[in-house]
Amino acid sequence: NAGVTQTPKFQVLKTGQSMTLQCAQDMNHNSMYWYRQDPGMGLRLIYYSASEGTTDKGEVPNGYNVSRLNKREFSLRLESAAPSQTSVYFCASRVLGNTEAFFGQGTRLTVV
Amino acid sequence: QKEVEQNSGPLSVPEGAIASLNCTYSDRGSQSFFWYRQYSGKSPELIMSIYSNGDKEDGRFTAQLNKASQYVSLLIRDSQPSDSATYLCAVNKSGYSTLTFGKGTMLLVSP
Repeated sequence: NAGVTQTPKFQVLKTGQSMTLQCAQDMNHNSMYWYRQDPGMGLRLIYYSASEGTTDKGEVPNGYNVSRLNKREFSLRLESAAPSQTSVYFCASRVLGNTEAFFGQGTRLTVV
Repeated sequence: QKEVEQNSGPLSVPEGAIASLNCTYSDRGSQSFFWYRQYSGKSPELIMSIYSNGDKEDGRFTAQLNKASQYVSLLIRDSQPSDSATYLCAVNKSGYSTLTFGKGTMLLVSP
């Protein structure tokens, strides 16, 4: 099993450009998450989807949109990238309830 | 008060020693607790989960939970240089579908 797969692994954008980060999981998990990780800030939740068909804002949603395409896939879109969005982005998934989350390998995004 | 707090470190221990990592949380209704290890440039990987008061052991790792004190810890026995990483504490609040992470503690194990 591949687990949680994110694409791309690295990306450089110019300010104002748009892009979509893709995430897919093959573990039949109900919930999926997008986090960003910045030095000294830990993992901060951007958006999440508790179950297929639902999405909710997390701690830092501004400048992002998400789509839960189906049970397997959850994408994160930057409509107009800003240097403040330079970060490492992690997708994660988990079964509903009090279970652990499994992470993808991350996307390192630089906005210049 | 931050929801999940950890000392950022670095915590330096010699090889073979016990490393003790601590985490406090603010929501008294929290029900599940997790420790993740993250190597530099890599994604977090689960080490331990704990749901009830007391100790849970898995190999060299022991997680300890005290809900009354809102405190969870991770002990690493016989620390190895390969244990050098950042350790993230994560908490699932009751009624929430999300995990809240602390900022992590960097552990350095010297040979």
